[in-house]
Amino acid sequence: AQTVTQSQPEMSVQEAETVTLSCTYDTSESNYYLFWYKQPPSRQMILVIRQEAYKQQNATENRFSVNFQKAAKSFSLKISDSQLGDTAMYFCAFMRDNQGGKLIFGQGTELSVKP
Amino acid sequence: GAVVSQHPSRVICKSGTSVKIECRSLDFQATTMFWYRQFPKKSLMLMATSNEGSKATYEQGVEKDKFLINHASLTLSTLTVTSAHPEDSSFYICSALPGLRTLNYGYTFGSGTRLTVV
Repeated sequence: AQTVTQSQPEMSVQEAETVTLSCTYDTSESNYYLFWYKQPPSRQMILVIRQEAYKQQNATENRFSVNFQKAAKSFSLKISDSQLGDTAMYFCAFMRDNQGGKLIFGQGTELSVKP
Repeated sequence: GAVVSQHPSRVICKSGTSVKIECRSLDFQATTMFWYRQFPKKSLMLMATSNEGSKATYEQGVEKDKFLINHASLTLSTLTVTSAHPEDSSFYICSALPGLRTLNYGYTFGSGTRLTVV
């Protein structure tokens, strides 16, 4: 069975600085998808960034980028120029290509951006 | 686009009663919807996969008779918590997979329902 591990329950960063959230996963599949979701205090889940396993190039979305290391099964999220609105729970998620779209979430990292 | 509406956002019910939570895709057809449960400051746990026109697929350990799921149309899935007990109090979230999109687009999530059983 696939597992997703986020080893940092809580992190904090100063506004405008850079922070990296870690995520590792375990799978024997060769093709899959990885996601980072953000859950602010409103509890609305928001997709931050996605990565297809067959793509070697790391995904980027404005201030958000990932470091995808397929061999190491690592998928970290880097947030540059952190903003107060980035304060939220961040979940790493895994999805197999042929499992009907089921998402497996990590435990989450609570990120606080301090002014 | 790809908006999912979940209703109600909060509900309080008495122990032993049933409560229904609706999940609607507003601007797309969702052949598949998912129901998650989330405890405070914890991750989302998949409860079941809801497929339009067929029976839901429940994850191991989820009571089918307690958490009834119906996906009668391409835009509506409902979760009914039957004979609710205080331990069923939780945050329930639905998500929908647009049928015409490829999987790598990810999901759209509803805003969640906070259920409190007293």
